Order: sequence, then structure tokens, then C-alpha cells
Amino acid sequence: AQKITQTQPGMFVQEKEAVTLDCTYDTSDPSYGLFWYKQPSSGEMIFLIYQGSYDQQNATEGRYSLNFQKARKSANLVISASQLGDSAMYFCAMREVDDKIIFGKGTRLHILP
Amino acid sequence: EAGVTQFPSHSVIEKGQTVTLRCDPISGHDNLYWYRRVMGKEIKFLLHFVKESKQDESGMPNNRFLAERTGGTYSTLKVQPAELEDSGVYFCASSQEGYSYNEQFFGPGTRLTVL
Repeated sequence: AQKITQTQPGMFVQEKEAVTLDCTYDTSDPSYGLFWYKQPSSGEMIFLIYQGSYDQQNATEGRYSLNFQKARKSANLVISASQLGDSAMYFCAMREVDDKIIFGKGTRLHILP
Repeated sequence: EAGVTQFPSHSVIEKGQTVTLRCDPISGHDNLYWYRRVMGKEIKFLLHFVKESKQDESGMPNNRFLAERTGGTYSTLKVQPAELEDSGVYFCASSQEGYSYNEQFFGPGTRLTVL
């Protein structure tokens, strides 16, 4: 069974608009962490944001926020005021107690000028 | 401070040849991870070192893959003999003990093409 599901293989968004990238996860561990990574065309994986399963508030990092809905097992990434440089592949990921990270298939985001 | 580095950035080899990928983690990071993304699929965990010891190698696809971490510093991942399905991008990541969420810092990856 897939543990991380990203249902949007690709998205096109107008520059300066907000964008939400969907992610749902599946785990039976009470303690886990959720991550979002950005992979630009250059290939490196850039850490964006983290949400712990016990965190009461949604994580925010600059223009990035994580809409964490624990009961729905949802961890959507929201990018406010999108920029051309946001065009990239975005991966949702989960770390369970065994410490390995499980990735979703990714969403390719295209920001249109 | 230097990030995680990987060498080479690209490697093109023929089926049956041997390739060795190298990862240098961030200095002081005890945890080192290898991941792989084959075309069109998810990034998959391969294995996890804590210092020089293999903590978890459950993701290693088969015995053609051998990972080492001599002295708990850099790590190598050898593929011998390489097969077509080994093509993909191999990522290394490192993390430091003691952080609340143990953030893993990724290297730029090595793109392996097996012809």
C-alpha cells in the first residue's frame, strides 16, 4: 500500500497566485514527521518544511506553510505568492520511527509568467 | 559549511560493468542514507548508516549493491555488475543525532545511466 500519495502529477499556476500541493499519508505509528522537498531542474533536493505528528500548529517557513490535518492524514503544502523560481518538482515525504524517509511520486509545478 | 557532496554527478556505463558512487556527508553527521529514484517512480530508501555501521539496509535491491562507510566518514555505493534497471538518480543524505526531527540534508545526486 502506498504510504505517501500525491495525486497531482503536474500543476500549472499563474505567477503571484497561491498554490496548494496535495499530500496524504498512511501510517500506524503515533510518532512521525512529514516533510516537503523541492527538486529544481538542477537535481538537488531542497528541504522546505517539516511537521511533526505531535505539533499542534501548522508549520510555516516564509512563503511555505503546511496544512496539517491529522485526522484526515493530510499534509498539503501551500505556497503563497508563487514566483517563477518555484517551478520545480515537489516531493512530500514521511519519516517513521525507523528513521527512513518515504517519498511520494512528486508533483511537477509550473509557474506561468 | 559544505553540504552533502556526491561524486560523480553523472555516470554512463555499459551493462555488466562496475560503478562506484561516493557520498561525503556534512562534517559531524553520524547518519548517512542512500536513496534511489528510478525513472517515473518514487524516491526509495536503500540503506542507513550510523557512523560506520549499517543500521538498516532493507531497501537494498539485491546483492549486486554493496555500500560501505569506512571510518564513519564518506560512503561508497558499488553496483557490480550493473544492469539496465539500475539506471536512475542516487541520492545521499546525512543528518545529525540529537535534533528533534532529524532533518536529512540531501546531496545533489548521481545520475547513473546503464546502457
